Amino acid sequence: NAGVTQTPKFRVLKTGQSMTLLCAQDMNHEYMYWYRQDPGMGLRLIHYSVGEGTTAKGEVPDGYNVSRLKKQNFLLGLESAAPSQTSVYFCASSSFSAKTNHEQFFGPGTRLTVL
Amino acid sequence: GQNIDQPTEMTATEGAIVQINCTYQTSGFNGLFWYQQHAGEAPTFLSYNVLDGLEEKGRFSSFLSRSKGYSYLLLKELQMKDSASYLCCRGSYIPTFGRGTSLIVHP
Repeated sequence: NAGVTQTPKFRVLKTGQSMTLLCAQDMNHEYMYWYRQDPGMGLRLIHYSVGEGTTAKGEVPDGYNVSRLKKQNFLLGLESAAPSQTSVYFCASSSFSAKTNHEQFFGPGTRLTVL
Repeated sequence: GQNIDQPTEMTATEGAIVQINCTYQTSGFNGLFWYQQHAGEAPTFLSYNVLDGLEEKGRFSSFLSRSKGYSYLLLKELQMKDSASYLCCRGSYIPTFGRGTSLIVHP
């Protein structure tokens, strides 16, 4: 099992450009999450999904969109990047079956810089 | 809100014991997690408490008091590799993280 993978690992954008971050998990997890992590701010939830075809807003959703067309994939889109979106982005997934601790499994992160 | 408070930074000596505290808002509680995050890496799961009491797992233990909105992570026999950020996280389905406690272990 690869677990949770994220592409790309690094990206530099100019203000106003768009991009999509891809998250994939091979553990058949129902829940998937996108976070951003900034120095001194901890992990903040952007959007999450409780299953294929469903998405919901988290704590800091503005400027981002998401889609979950397939259970194993969760895409995060930036339509018009801004310097304030410079951050490290983590994707995570979790399962709520009786056999798990409901913990989240994290991808390796995407380091995004917006100039 | 669902404020989660934990100290910003702690230092300890190799071989010692350190306790990292976390307080959180009690309404709608459904589980308390601790994660470890080394610099430049992703967080990894350490522990999960949903009932009051102490959960022990090797050198690491986690305690929960639901009525007080309080948890702690206890690290024993500290090693240099334990230098990392420790994240307190409230909630299973819609998680909320604290800002993390940076632990520095020195010889």
